[in-house]
Amino acid sequence: NAGVMQNPRHLVRRRGQEARLRCSPMKGHSHVYWYRQLPEEGLKFMVYLQKENIIDESGMPKERFSAEFPKEGPSILRIQQVVRGDSAAYFCASSPRGVDNSPLHFGNGTRLTVT
Amino acid sequence: GDSVTQMEGPVTLSEEAFLTINCTYTATGYPSLFWYVQYPGEGLQLLLKATKADDKGSNKGFEATYRKETTSFHLEKGSVQVSDSAVYFCALSLYGGSQGNLIFGKGTKLSVKP
Repeated sequence: NAGVMQNPRHLVRRRGQEARLRCSPMKGHSHVYWYRQLPEEGLKFMVYLQKENIIDESGMPKERFSAEFPKEGPSILRIQQVVRGDSAAYFCASSPRGVDNSPLHFGNGTRLTVT
Repeated sequence: GDSVTQMEGPVTLSEEAFLTINCTYTATGYPSLFWYVQYPGEGLQLLLKATKADDKGSNKGFEATYRKETTSFHLEKGSVQVSDSAVYFCALSLYGGSQGNLIFGKGTKLSVKP
């Protein structure tokens, strides 16, 4: 039973380019969460999605960042016109349900470097 | 606002030493509390949790007790092993037991020497 799969593991982008980070949740999980980990910091919640719906995007920067979780395929976190401050590790997590005591399962993260 | 504060690392211990990693929190309402562990190059894994005051979470020899009076959730282990070397994160959730929108501390890196 494969865990949460994120790709790529490492992504290098020049300033101004777009970054696309993919997350395939565990089988049977319909809830996806994205977190960002800046150097020497803890993880910060970004967005919570169910299939085709954004449930909570209170942690998403207002500009350049977007997320989706389509009916088919992985969840995508998209960062347009990247800047150096976007360099971080981005973690995806999934759960079978959003409320109650469902544990979160984290992927191994995508490490984005903006040069 | 709501927050989690952990002791700063790195913490370096010899094998079989006693471990304490302090964690305190600030939250409105009654949060659930968690400890996560991150091994090098991997994602976070839930280590243990407690959902109400005086609950004790335990797993793999690690323990933490939810102390409402001191707003703390300190992680302890009686005898650490080299394989326990990792980064440990304390976290809280304001949504009952749901872990979706977690607030994390900055993490404490633990290195255990043989």
